[in-house]
Amino acid sequence: QSALTQPPSASGSPGQSVTISCTGTSSDVGLYNYVSWYQQHPGKAPKLMIFEVSHRPSGVPDRFSGSRSGNTASLTVSGLQAEDEANYYCSSYAGSNNFVVFGGGTKVTVL
Amino acid sequence: EVQLVESGGGLVKPGGSLRLSCAASGFSFSRYSMNWVRQAPGKGLEWVSSISGGSGNIYYKDSLKGRFTISRDNARNSLNLQMNSLTAEDTAVYYCVRDLSEVGGNFDYWGQGTLVTVSS
Repeated sequence: QSALTQPPSASGSPGQSVTISCTGTSSDVGLYNYVSWYQQHPGKAPKLMIFEVSHRPSGVPDRFSGSRSGNTASLTVSGLQAEDEANYYCSSYAGSNNFVVFGGGTKVTVL
Repeated sequence: EVQLVESGGGLVKPGGSLRLSCAASGFSFSRYSMNWVRQAPGKGLEWVSSISGGSGNIYYKDSLKGRFTISRDNARNSLNLQMNSLTAEDTAVYYCVRDLSEVGGNFDYWGQGTLVTVSS
């Protein structure tokens, strides 16, 4: 069982938006500004899409955005494209004991 | 260009040991915390261990303490993971990962991974 809770799946048609939630606790997501999101295509290494809740690394399209409310972080993909179909994982810093915890992943399907 | 290349994976019997290495290039290695993250077949990501740039701060997933040892050689731009007393539950792809921050898990560069299979 993963430390952070994500829905197992999400879907949307091309051009639509999809939002993925990531629920933690007041000891991780709710406490630290170190929530990240990763995209992983089958057989490939994960790719950082969002860091520190809402920051996009260079090269990541602005269709990807992150936010947080309380103990729940969210990733929104706007203007869905076929190449956005992938697994998405959230993570959070959780202090010096647990350090980094991940969500179980959400498979995004572009219909 | 940042590159992280893992090696050392393979098939090992339960109870055995394995040492993974990661060769880093394209950035000032000693300035970054480095991590190992693993992914069991068909499963999600699991953080394993972290080491700061100067090796002064080292962290392990609780359940792995005592069996895994992370180390680095800044002169050789290399990261290592010594894994002992391996069980089937350790079977996974192990990724070498750079952290954008000193702490926080902002994992901005990942290697291609090396597969560790623990089986008799």
